[in-house]
Amino acid sequence: RKEVEQDPGPFNVPEGATVAFNCTYSNSASQSFFWYRQDCRKEPKLLMSVYSSGNEDGRFTAQLNRASQYISLLIRDSKLSDSATYLCVVNQDNAGNMLTFGGGTRLMVKP
Amino acid sequence: EPEVTQTPSHQVTQMGQEVILRCVPISNHLYFYWYRQILGQKVEFLVSFYNNEISEKSEIFDDQFSVERPDGSNFTLKIRSTKLEDSAMYFCASSAWETQYFGPGTRLLVL
Repeated sequence: RKEVEQDPGPFNVPEGATVAFNCTYSNSASQSFFWYRQDCRKEPKLLMSVYSSGNEDGRFTAQLNRASQYISLLIRDSKLSDSATYLCVVNQDNAGNMLTFGGGTRLMVKP
Repeated sequence: EPEVTQTPSHQVTQMGQEVILRCVPISNHLYFYWYRQILGQKVEFLVSFYNNEISEKSEIFDDQFSVERPDGSNFTLKIRSTKLEDSAMYFCASSAWETQYFGPGTRLLVL
């Protein structure tokens, strides 16, 4: 079975903290990787795609290690508005673009 | 910014009844998807659709489910005879290629 695993948390951090989430995936043939954010009872919203070379978008940095089948997300200078569930998402193959979701890591940023 | 829309936002139905969930994908997207999320669980892939046919479907997408693109804008998911375990949030998504954008979801409750 092709799985995506994440620590469910919750991660409780103060405003301004740096926090890192990790994710592992089981299918070595996976093609593309994403972090989505999901607020309570809302739809997943794309946060960023993850590239082998690593990529950064403002306070967010994503890394991919294909050899270890490991993906990470780093959030610097946490804001209250960052409180959400962060979903690690893998496209297992390109045939039907099926996305496989991790269970999510819950982040709570406190004042 | 273009977005995926879904109707209705909530649907309550009796077990054994048929339901149709509707989606309007982003206008220049060619790939369409349905996912579901049972309360407290992971987002799960149901089906992908391209060029007026199903590209891929999961084991959840059995004979009780069907999809259709009845016109140039709508994309529908039909559940023929609902079961209690069909209660979930159903998300439609669309993509131009790999990156999928999700609608706000339809919350389906089967009584």
